[in-house]
Amino acid sequence: EPEVTQTPSHQVTQMGQEVILRCVPISNHLYFYWYRQILGQKVEFLVSFYNNEISEKSEIFDDQFSVERPDGSNFTLKIRSTKLEDSAMYFCASSDWGKLFFGSGTQLSVL
Amino acid sequence: GESVGLHLPTLSVQEGDNSIINCAYSNSASDYFIWYKQESGKGPQFIIDIRSNMDKRQGQRVTVLLNKTVKHLSLQIAATQPGDSAVYFCAENTNAGGTSYGKLTFGQGTILTVHP
Repeated sequence: EPEVTQTPSHQVTQMGQEVILRCVPISNHLYFYWYRQILGQKVEFLVSFYNNEISEKSEIFDDQFSVERPDGSNFTLKIRSTKLEDSAMYFCASSDWGKLFFGSGTQLSVL
Repeated sequence: GESVGLHLPTLSVQEGDNSIINCAYSNSASDYFIWYKQESGKGPQFIIDIRSNMDKRQGQRVTVLLNKTVKHLSLQIAATQPGDSAVYFCAENTNAGGTSYGKLTFGQGTILTVHP
């Protein structure tokens, strides 16, 4: 069964550093998403992406965040200057039109 | 505002029992609901979904019930197995079919533990 893959599985970074989280969505999907889950809290929507542009973003997704689809297979989330409160599990998801398929996540730890 | 919450944070059952996990939502404009299962170290895994024009939908060993009058959603798992042990999330969307189709609002989660 096709799946969404994310790398790395764990990322440790120093506060203020830039990080890039990578995702390979399911190949025939057209809609891409990033969600995050702070430990013990709900899964939260960050951003949706379609047709090479952001279609919707949440209040969390401020100017420090950006997304990109640099080629036909990858979908990335960049955090320009990480803060302690950015520590969370970040999930990439993709869909064709219906249900979302999630990756296994990248655990980001900001020290 | 939009919110999705769960009545019971934990549920323990014996193998073979039926499980019922409940979820309340507050946005009456929600028109699409999904149940996800999350195992430790993994992302949310789709279980079953239902649109607001339905009140019941069945899958393999799972049934989702939607009561729009009281804004309540439930997931029933028949003959629960140890492999069903996980955190279960309900999620809702208020613009299914539009550009916000994938913008899901998740509930807090219920921990289901199945004892052999």
